[in-house]
Amino acid sequence: DTVLTQSPALAVSLGQRVTISCRASKSVSTYMHWYQQKSGQQPKLLIYSASNLESGVPSRFSGSGSGTDFTLTIDPVEADDIANYYCQQSNELPLTFGSGTKLEIK
Amino acid sequence: EVQLVESGGGLVQPGRSLKLSCAASGFTFSNYYMAWVRQAPKKGLEWVATISTSGSRTYYPDSVKGRFTISRDNAKSSLYLQMNSLKSEDTATYYCARHRSWELGYWGQGVMVTVSS
Repeated sequence: DTVLTQSPALAVSLGQRVTISCRASKSVSTYMHWYQQKSGQQPKLLIYSASNLESGVPSRFSGSGSGTDFTLTIDPVEADDIANYYCQQSNELPLTFGSGTKLEIK
Repeated sequence: EVQLVESGGGLVQPGRSLKLSCAASGFTFSNYYMAWVRQAPKKGLEWVATISTSGSRTYYPDSVKGRFTISRDNAKSSLYLQMNSLKSEDTATYYCARHRSWELGYWGQGVMVTVSS
């Protein structure tokens, strides 16, 4: 199985830029996707195929990477962005998710 | 508007069975692969199952293969998850989700399943 590793938490000041990383245990090409999950809510797709912004998602969000290293960038961070962020690979089955990064405000 | 509404959760004893349902609306259900994803309390996301548009192909991780069965009724725009031989580690919120490609573009609100004696 492809294991995805994320940092557990990040603290950032409002209005600043933050990058959330995801590292895959083997190459997933660009079959990497990002989700936002706010407290008590279902996940929401933000970025698909590494760098494509899902319809309706603010342009403050962007994604990059290929192979094993990927990043989700939020610039600038707003208070509404407080959430857990998960990466997910679809290069092979089983589909796997990272353990999530909790974004906190300083 | 795409809507996915799960039902059928609850408290069940270890070793027993439970069937979850997901009612879909706001899109042509038969055109999309569908999935179940679960999240144990305070934990991350785990993919549980995917079914093709016709239902002819199903996919599972090893953790549930042979115990869980995903199915669909396109005439009723409904998705199901039959869960047998339940274990305490199956305790989680179960989400119904619509595939975009092999990513998940829409998610339901989720339904809680607790496996405990």
